[in-house]
Amino acid sequence: DTEVTQTPKHLVMGMTNKKSLKCEQHMGHRAMYWYKQKAKKPPELMFVYSYEKLSINESVPSRFSPECPNSSLLNLHLHALQPEDSALYLCASSQGGNLGQGGNDGYTFGSGTRLTVV
Amino acid sequence: GQNIDQPTEMTATEGAIVQINCTYQTSGFNGLFWYQQHAGEAPTFLSYNVLDGLEEKGRFSSFLSRSKGYSYLLLKELQMKDSASYLCAVRGSSNTGKLIFGQGTTLQVKP
Repeated sequence: DTEVTQTPKHLVMGMTNKKSLKCEQHMGHRAMYWYKQKAKKPPELMFVYSYEKLSINESVPSRFSPECPNSSLLNLHLHALQPEDSALYLCASSQGGNLGQGGNDGYTFGSGTRLTVV
Repeated sequence: GQNIDQPTEMTATEGAIVQINCTYQTSGFNGLFWYQQHAGEAPTFLSYNVLDGLEEKGRFSSFLSRSKGYSYLLLKELQMKDSASYLCAVRGSSNTGKLIFGQGTTLQVKP
């Protein structure tokens, strides 16, 4: 299995709703990431989990709450979002760990969740 | 600060060769990646460079000069399906795996 699976593919939610995005990989990768991508813009890093621990939070508002239940799963819990949070949310994974020089640890991206906040 | 620059848009003809440049200034360097992204889809990995020189993979090649903070992606024998956005991304540290993406270059291949 060489894929990162994200569900749902599309999500429409109101500003008072609570929803969760899910991400799963079975490649034995120990680093997992959430990125947000607006139209015609590059992906922007939100969170990094390394060995199931949150290692980077890029000053993301608390209405986004990540969770890593185990080494294969990564969730993003959403609450009280704003219309400007509408975007493509990408999950990615990589081998992780300290690779030192020369480590080819490219990301494998999921197909994303297209989120619309109304 | 950290900065990655790419041209915003490029146009090329089917069957031709196109070179997409990327310059970067980052705190630390531990690898440069190129990704392809079709509209509405996830980025897919194309190439990786960490040492100076050229890496060739079929119709795609990527070059790196660390002293100049410069890379390019070369696409040969262009096909219509190569119309996509091409993202240059730099990993600054080996410890975090964090990739910093450039703005992306939208390539349009015309018949």
